[in-house]
Amino acid sequence: AQSVTQPDIHITVSEGASLELRCNYSYGATPYLFWYVQSPGQGLQLLLKYFSGDTLVQGIKGFEAEFKRSQSSFNLRKPSVHWSDAAEYFCAVGAGTYKYIFGTGTRLKVLA
Amino acid sequence: NAGVTQTPKFQVLKTGQSMTLQCAQDMNHNSMYWYRQDPGMGLRLIYYSASEGTTDKGEVPNGYNVSRLNKREFSLRLESAAPSQTSVYFCASTRDRDTEAFFGQGTRLTVV
Repeated sequence: AQSVTQPDIHITVSEGASLELRCNYSYGATPYLFWYVQSPGQGLQLLLKYFSGDTLVQGIKGFEAEFKRSQSSFNLRKPSVHWSDAAEYFCAVGAGTYKYIFGTGTRLKVLA
Repeated sequence: NAGVTQTPKFQVLKTGQSMTLQCAQDMNHNSMYWYRQDPGMGLRLIYYSASEGTTDKGEVPNGYNVSRLNKREFSLRLESAAPSQTSVYFCASTRDRDTEAFFGQGTRLTVV
């Protein structure tokens, strides 16, 4: 069965430090991959997506993610975190149906 | 651009009461979804509508019904609310399957 795992429930980083959020998926074919961000009390907003082609994708707000087929991973990165990046981040897989599969989320805290 | 609009934003129900959550999108998207978000569980799909005139069950459909009123609107009905339905509900829409989802701001529902 398809699944998405975000192993880190909480991550704390200092402002200006680099960030990597992990996402592993289980899916037989090449998946459609997404990262969303949710600020408190808000809906989810798309950060970036991977459908095919270049395995390093750029998104909004300075985020990027790399698709690694051999590791079944799609980790999200940012070189320098800003206090406004504090939010919850969700990885999701589009598995060829309308049933997107979401990870359980990683809550990011940023220290001033 | 309004995007996806959900009403109401907050609701408190007594056990056994009924209510309908409304959702409308103005992006001419074909597909619409209802998710619930619970702490530590990510987003779980309740029902979806791949296109106008069709609806299908998601992961957690029990206790809910939906109506795709037209291409713009997709409502979620709780016929007899239970405390286990206390959650945050999100409506989303996509142009097609495996494309990026646009989310509403959510409805925080408490059943007492």
